[in-house]
Amino acid sequence: NAGVTQTPKFQVLKTGQSMTLQCAQDMNHNSMYWYRQDPGMGLRLIYYSASEGTTDKGEVPNGYNVSRLNKREFSLRLESAAPSQTSVYFCASTPPGAGEQFFGPGTRLTVL
Amino acid sequence: QKEVEQNSGPLSVPEGAIASLNCTYSDRGSQSFFWYRQYSGKSPELIMFIYSNGDKEDGRFTAQLNKASQYVSLLIRDSQPSDSATYLCDLRGKLVFGKGTKLTVNP
Repeated sequence: NAGVTQTPKFQVLKTGQSMTLQCAQDMNHNSMYWYRQDPGMGLRLIYYSASEGTTDKGEVPNGYNVSRLNKREFSLRLESAAPSQTSVYFCASTPPGAGEQFFGPGTRLTVL
Repeated sequence: QKEVEQNSGPLSVPEGAIASLNCTYSDRGSQSFFWYRQYSGKSPELIMFIYSNGDKEDGRFTAQLNKASQYVSLLIRDSQPSDSATYLCDLRGKLVFGKGTKLTVNP
């Protein structure tokens, strides 16, 4: 049981490049989330998916797109990366009816 | 006012002391609150959650919820250097985290 996994762990992009961050969970959770964490800003929600086939915007969705590929996988795409998107990205999931979020190890992204 | 405000610290306490971490929130309808601990370079992990007014104890940790005053606290008794981390409060239902309080426990 791996929990929540994220790939890659580290990534450096140039301004304007695109990339997809991958997240998968093997706990049969319904809800999945993408957060970004910047120094002094705590965790800010980018997008979430309450169940397979649905996605909703969070606090800071601009510049990102998501896909809930199936119940296990929830990907985050940056179409045209900007330096302001330099951050640590966390994926999380929650089981039905419970509030606890289980977090992946994070992806540290730098945009030059 | 932001939906959840957290005393941003940093907070420094000596080993063995009580560390007090606080969050205030604006939505009176909020029902559940979660406290996470995050070590440097790691992902957040759950410490405690609380739904009802009053205190909830788990070992050295006590969560306190006061819905009338709209605040939730986390007390760490007999603080240890291993408690040094950033603590995040999570307002469930709103999917909003506080900015976190960095706690340092000095030996």
